[in-house]
Amino acid sequence: GAGVSQSPRYKVAKRGQDVALRCDPISGHVSLFWYQQALGQGPEFLTYFQNEAQLDKSGLPSDRFFAERPEGSVSTLKIQRTQQEDSAVYLCASSLGSTDLNTEAFFGQGTRLTVV
Amino acid sequence: GENVEQHPSTLSVQEGDSAVIKCTYSDSASNYFPWYKQELGKRPQLIIDIRSNVGEKKDQRIAVTLNKTAKHFSLHITETQPEDSAVYFCAANNQAGTALIFGKGTTLSVSS
Repeated sequence: GAGVSQSPRYKVAKRGQDVALRCDPISGHVSLFWYQQALGQGPEFLTYFQNEAQLDKSGLPSDRFFAERPEGSVSTLKIQRTQQEDSAVYLCASSLGSTDLNTEAFFGQGTRLTVV
Repeated sequence: GENVEQHPSTLSVQEGDSAVIKCTYSDSASNYFPWYKQELGKRPQLIIDIRSNVGEKKDQRIAVTLNKTAKHFSLHITETQPEDSAVYFCAANNQAGTALIFGKGTTLSVSS
């Protein structure tokens, strides 16, 4: 693939609704990251996968947030019972390297989630 | 955990001037420091990065310097052009090597 692909690009959810955001990383990339970017802010780390293993989920803001990467490629970020404060752009990134982060992380275009 | 502070939050320069953005980090174990450029509504894209074993790196009009003792690093853009206008983010890796921690960003405006 040409790059990291995320879908949907835009999602409007009613408060209390569950949502699922998808990320297709660059083929062969071992590492996958999810970030949350609020308007006018820098990306905030949510979680990290090395292949199918979720090695770091310290950034997930609550137990309503859940991420998986069952086959070590595509990843899904799920948010249950969405709240207005969940409104943000959710960015996915992938990199070739494993735990060594000295390799470029490529970002997708993000999913803009608006909770009304 | 790692904390990254970035200054200034906004920067306005005339075309042809230089622009400097500064960042500090808290975790002495950090060893990778990338800079990303994000245009409005687009994805962040890497413009330059530096590793802890070097003090300076240059790529055409862009340079980055790193002072590990003081735990700060800076982005220098020379001969700025209107297309350099964007939000710039610095970042540092965490000790576990599982995340990049980003600064809050600098909005650079280059007027012609």
